[in-house]
Amino acid sequence: AQSVTQPDIHITVSEGASLELRCNYSYGATPYLFWYVQSPGQGLQLLLKYFSGDTLVQGIKGFEAEFKRSQSSFNLRKPSVHWSDAAEYFCAVGGDRGSTLGRLYFGRGTQLTVWP
Amino acid sequence: DGGITQSPKYLFRKEGQNVTLSCEQNLNHDAMYWYRQDPGQGLRLIYYSQIVNDFQKGDIAEGYSVSREKKESFPLTVTSAQKNPTAFYLCASSISTGNNQPQHFGDGTRLSIL
Repeated sequence: AQSVTQPDIHITVSEGASLELRCNYSYGATPYLFWYVQSPGQGLQLLLKYFSGDTLVQGIKGFEAEFKRSQSSFNLRKPSVHWSDAAEYFCAVGGDRGSTLGRLYFGRGTQLTVWP
Repeated sequence: DGGITQSPKYLFRKEGQNVTLSCEQNLNHDAMYWYRQDPGQGLRLIYYSQIVNDFQKGDIAEGYSVSREKKESFPLTVTSAQKNPTAFYLCASSISTGNNQPQHFGDGTRLSIL
């Protein structure tokens, strides 16, 4: 089965600094990949998704992610972090492309703290 | 505005009691999902439904039940058989069952034991 690993449980950055959140997946073919963000006590909001084509995808709130097949990675980046970016971030991979079931497999999340 | 509404936001359960969490969507989505979220665990799939009157167990279905009588509604019942129900529960939907479809989430229900 597919799986997702987010190696960093908690990351702290200063406001204005660059950010990279790591995500590695386990899947035999080209996966569907997603990044979501969750503010405290809220649901998840989709930041961006990768299906095919250009390996660098742009999302909302100034985020981008790069798909690297050779490294089985889909890392999330932002050039300059704002205090409002403090939240928990989840990477997710879609199921088998041949399946009609639209389930996602989520990583355990990375908590981002932003210092003023 | 279209979206997913979960209610209540907070819920307390007594020992031996069943409780039902509501999930309603007005996005005209076919597929709906229930996840359980525990600190440091990510999201774990409880049940999902691809179409009205049909649903399947996810990874942690024991102690839970669902129904899908209407396209808009997918309530989750936490039964007394669920011995550790304290968690944050998230409902989601997607336009279809294709696994390239992003899921849209409600704001969750936090369930605690009295």
